[in-house]
Amino acid sequence: DAMVIQNPRYQVTQFGKPVTLSCSQTLNHNVMYWYQQKSSQAPKLLFHYYDKDFNNEADTPDNFQSRRPNTSFCFLDIRSPGLGDAAMYLCATSRGFGGGTQETQYFGPGTRLLVL
Amino acid sequence: GQNIDQPTEMTATEGAIVQINCTYQTSGFNGLFWYQQHAGEAPTFLSYNVLDGLEEKGRFSSFLSRSKGYSYLLLKELQMKDSASYLCAVDLGAAGNKLTFGGGTRVLVKP
Repeated sequence: DAMVIQNPRYQVTQFGKPVTLSCSQTLNHNVMYWYQQKSSQAPKLLFHYYDKDFNNEADTPDNFQSRRPNTSFCFLDIRSPGLGDAAMYLCATSRGFGGGTQETQYFGPGTRLLVL
Repeated sequence: GQNIDQPTEMTATEGAIVQINCTYQTSGFNGLFWYQQHAGEAPTFLSYNVLDGLEEKGRFSSFLSRSKGYSYLLLKELQMKDSASYLCAVDLGAAGNKLTFGGGTRVLVKP
């Protein structure tokens, strides 16, 4: 059973053309995260939502925005994609309380973004 | 800044044992996770340590020494399907369980 779902799995966009990636979860987790992962590198946290509270990483470019309209869905908007934004984008969720393994993050399959 | 170091790549033979080391220097610590990531796929959870010592889970074991800022993941009886990247990630303890990942160790299992 899919728990964290990302659509589409592959996305091709043009330089400067806005693009939205989506993530949904069936786990009813409080926290949702967006990571960017470039080839052979570690996932880099862009931002996360704790319920409706948005938390942006200090070094996340303004070009990246996020929306969480409800518990289940979270979107990543890239306003003007550049060639350097080509990467795998991973969505993850966690319960957000309890500590320890309760805080395990569950990842979706990722969306691979190609910018032409 | 946060520093998490792992070897870039390791090679081992099917049936053997491999130990992947991870050292960390972080502003906070609320536990350390190990994830497995096959090429082109999402990371999947392997293990979690918050107290010193060894946690064993089937063929995989993970060790933590908080005083040394050190962890390792031990993979026993290696199988071909274990060829993957292994990511060490530290929970910084901030609100919302922020994980900082190491660069990952690519393990290649040879027949």
